[in-house]
Amino acid sequence: DQQVKQNSPSLSVQEGRISILNCDYTNSMFDYFLWYKKYPAEGPTFLISISSIKDKNEDGRFTVFLNKSAKHLSLHIVPSQPGDSAVYFCAASPTLPHGKLTFGQGTILTVHP
Amino acid sequence: DADVTQTPRNRITKTGKRIMLECSQTKGHDRMYWYRQDPGLGLRLIYYSFDVKDINKGEISDGYSVSRQAQAKFSLSLESAIPNQTALYFCATSAQRGPRRNTGELFFGEGSRLTVL
Repeated sequence: DQQVKQNSPSLSVQEGRISILNCDYTNSMFDYFLWYKKYPAEGPTFLISISSIKDKNEDGRFTVFLNKSAKHLSLHIVPSQPGDSAVYFCAASPTLPHGKLTFGQGTILTVHP
Repeated sequence: DADVTQTPRNRITKTGKRIMLECSQTKGHDRMYWYRQDPGLGLRLIYYSFDVKDINKGEISDGYSVSRQAQAKFSLSLESAIPNQTALYFCATSAQRGPRRNTGELFFGEGSRLTVL
């Protein structure tokens, strides 16, 4: 049973526009959520995170929104740049400090110049 | 140089062979993990270790074993490889202490691509 789901395998966006990547989870014990970005032939790298006590966290062009009642989070990238083209994974954890993350399937983002 | 180094980066082997993937880190982290990535399934946790004497099974540990030889080294073994173990394997570390201890952030190696024929 996939506890963290990214239902869109891919997303295509024009440079300068907003990219919105979505993630749903089923385990109500998840308390901390992270987004990772992965380029080909590289390992995933941490992008941004959010604790369940918040509903929004911003870091430059990246903002993560959390809706606990809907068990849904989203990553907004504004403005999108061609260098943002990568696979994006959302991940969740029931408690911290703990690196035992449950990952979604990933969404391939392509930003066209 | 990479903080988390995996060897080999690519390996092709045959069914029934024993394979070891090695991971070493220079980040000084206590916690180390092995994940497996498959298309459409994301990353799934195989084993993790919070200390040299600590080994824990993850979501998909069957068919795998691990050894934490030192704080900086964590190896993954496939005793008798089978084709459905063909995947991209990632080692990762996280901080138990210090300013990043409560972020849950994992630091990944570049991956080891294993093909079992």
